[in-house]
Amino acid sequence: AQKVTQAQTEISVVEKEDVTLDCVYETRDTTYYLFWYKQPPSGELVFLIRRNSFDEQNEISGRYSWNFQKSTSSFNFTITASQVVDSAVYFCALSEAVSGYSTLTFGKGTMLLVSP
Amino acid sequence: EADIYQTPRYLVIGTGKKITLECSQTMGHDKMYWYQQDPGMELHLIHYSYGVNSTEKGDLSSESTVSRIRTEHFPLTLESARPSHTSQYLCASSGRDRHYNEQFFGPGTRLTVL
Repeated sequence: AQKVTQAQTEISVVEKEDVTLDCVYETRDTTYYLFWYKQPPSGELVFLIRRNSFDEQNEISGRYSWNFQKSTSSFNFTITASQVVDSAVYFCALSEAVSGYSTLTFGKGTMLLVSP
Repeated sequence: EADIYQTPRYLVIGTGKKITLECSQTMGHDKMYWYQQDPGMELHLIHYSYGVNSTEKGDLSSESTVSRIRTEHFPLTLESARPSHTSQYLCASSGRDRHYNEQFFGPGTRLTVL
């Protein structure tokens, strides 16, 4: 069975601080995808990144970066120089990759509050 | 840009009413999903579909039902709404293109049953 754990329920930071959101996953599959989604107060989920299990390169997109470590089954997300607009709930998710019939397993989410 | 729509965005109704939440996507995606999100943030998959005339129950048992008569349309129906159904409902879809397994989400329907 697949499982995604986001141990941090809520994180509060002051603007311009760096913040890391943790994600640990469990799966028996050798091929899988990992995702991060952002849910701002408006409610919709916004896709941020997808990572294939064979690609362990870290990725940077502007102020966002992701650290994928297969050895520790972690896929952590760092926001550098946080801004108030980063305030949202962030979800990490996992899916099996081989068949076309897999669903996403979501973590419980981490609420990030960035104050001015 | 994802094109997935949900109506209504907000709905307040009385107990016992029948309601249908609409979800449509214009991306030609074969797979569609419904999630229920409780106030504690957690997302629960309640229904999904792999294509026309295919529907499956998700991880969380739900009294709602779904249908998939057309590829682009995946409505969710509650025959008799109760206060326990108060929640946010999110619809999503995914395809077999380069965004494989990436789910695109609609804006959600916030349902309140009085």
